[in-house]
Amino acid sequence: NAGVMQNPRHLVRRRGQEARLRCSPMKGHSHVYWYRQLPEEGLKFMVYLQKENIIDESGMPKERFSAEFPKEGPSILRIQQVVRGDSAAYFCASSRFEASTDTQYFGPGTRLTVL
Amino acid sequence: AQSVTQLGSHVSVSEGALVLLRCNYSSSVPPYLFWYVQYPNQGLQLLLKYTSAATLVKGINGFEAEFKKSETSFHLTKPSAHMSDAAEYFCAVSANTGNQFYFGTGTSLTVIP
Repeated sequence: NAGVMQNPRHLVRRRGQEARLRCSPMKGHSHVYWYRQLPEEGLKFMVYLQKENIIDESGMPKERFSAEFPKEGPSILRIQQVVRGDSAAYFCASSRFEASTDTQYFGPGTRLTVL
Repeated sequence: AQSVTQLGSHVSVSEGALVLLRCNYSSSVPPYLFWYVQYPNQGLQLLLKYTSAATLVKGINGFEAEFKKSETSFHLTKPSAHMSDAAEYFCAVSANTGNQFYFGTGTSLTVIP
């Protein structure tokens, strides 16, 4: 049973380019969460999605960031017109049920570097 | 609102010594509490979780944590440190409603041979 998969593991972009981060949840999991980890900091919640729906995006910056979890395929976190401050590790997690009582299983992360 | 404070961003112990990583939480509702471990360049792995059952929770790799409501604490312990325990440890809290996990800033554990 494969765990949460994220790709790419490392992504380098120049300022102004777009970054697309992909997350495939564990089999049987329909809840996906995205977190951002800045150097020397803990994980900060960004967005929670179920299939085809954004449930909670309270941690998502209002501009340039968007997320989706289509009926078919992986969840995508998209960052438009990246800036140096977007450099961070982005982690995806999934759970079978709603997160409040269920364990979130994390992927290995995508490390974004903006030059 | 929920939040987590991890005291000590860096902890060093000798191999074979007791490991104690501190976590205090703030929650307006009964919390669910988690400890995760992160090895370099990897994702987070669940060590253990408390979800209002037994207050002493046993996890993987010999770790355990005790939920103390009076102290609003959920400290992580291991009787004897092993070199392979060197990693970053994160405490997290969630409410019994809502979807967010709130993570502490992490504690980096170094094990000295």
